[in-house]
Amino acid sequence: DQQVKQNSPSLSVQEGRISILNCDYTNSMFDYFLWYKKYPAEGPTFLISISSIKDKNEDGRFTVFLNKSAKHLSLHIVPSQPGDSAVYFCAASGNTPLVFGKGTRLSVIA
Amino acid sequence: DADVTQTPRNRITKTGKRIMLECSQTKGHDRMYWYRQDPGLGLRLIYYSFDVKDINKGEISDGYSVSRQAQAKFSLSLESAIPNQTALYFCATGQGVGYEQYFGPGTRLTVT
Repeated sequence: DQQVKQNSPSLSVQEGRISILNCDYTNSMFDYFLWYKKYPAEGPTFLISISSIKDKNEDGRFTVFLNKSAKHLSLHIVPSQPGDSAVYFCAASGNTPLVFGKGTRLSVIA
Repeated sequence: DADVTQTPRNRITKTGKRIMLECSQTKGHDRMYWYRQDPGLGLRLIYYSFDVKDINKGEISDGYSVSRQAQAKFSLSLESAIPNQTALYFCATGQGVGYEQYFGPGTRLTVT
């Protein structure tokens, strides 16, 4: 049973517009959430995180929102750039190793 | 120099062969992990280690074994490789709960 779900396998966005990537989780014990970006032939790289005591964390063009009651988080990228084209993984942990979603492939079109 | 290195980067092997994938880190982290990535399935945890004397099974440990030779080294073995173990394998390190993990560049393994 998937504990972390990314229901959109792919997303296409125009350059300069907002990209919104979504993630749902089922385990109420999760209290730390992360987003990773992965380019082909490279390992995943950490992008941004949020703990359950917050509902928003921002780092430059990237903002993560957490809705604990809905068990939902989202990553907003504004403005989107062609270099943002990659696979994005959502991950979560409680007192456990990270559990990853299946990923969303983002394509930013120039 | 990369903080987390994996060798080999690519490997093709035959069914039934034993193969070892190696991981080294210079980040000084106690915790190390092995993941497998398959198309459409995301990253799945194979084994993890919180220190040299601690080894734990992950979600998909069957058919794999690990060895934590030192704080900085964590190797993954396939005792008798089978074609459905064809995948991308990633090693990662971390400080613990509430901290991000750092990934190596991956090993592409093909079992024919």
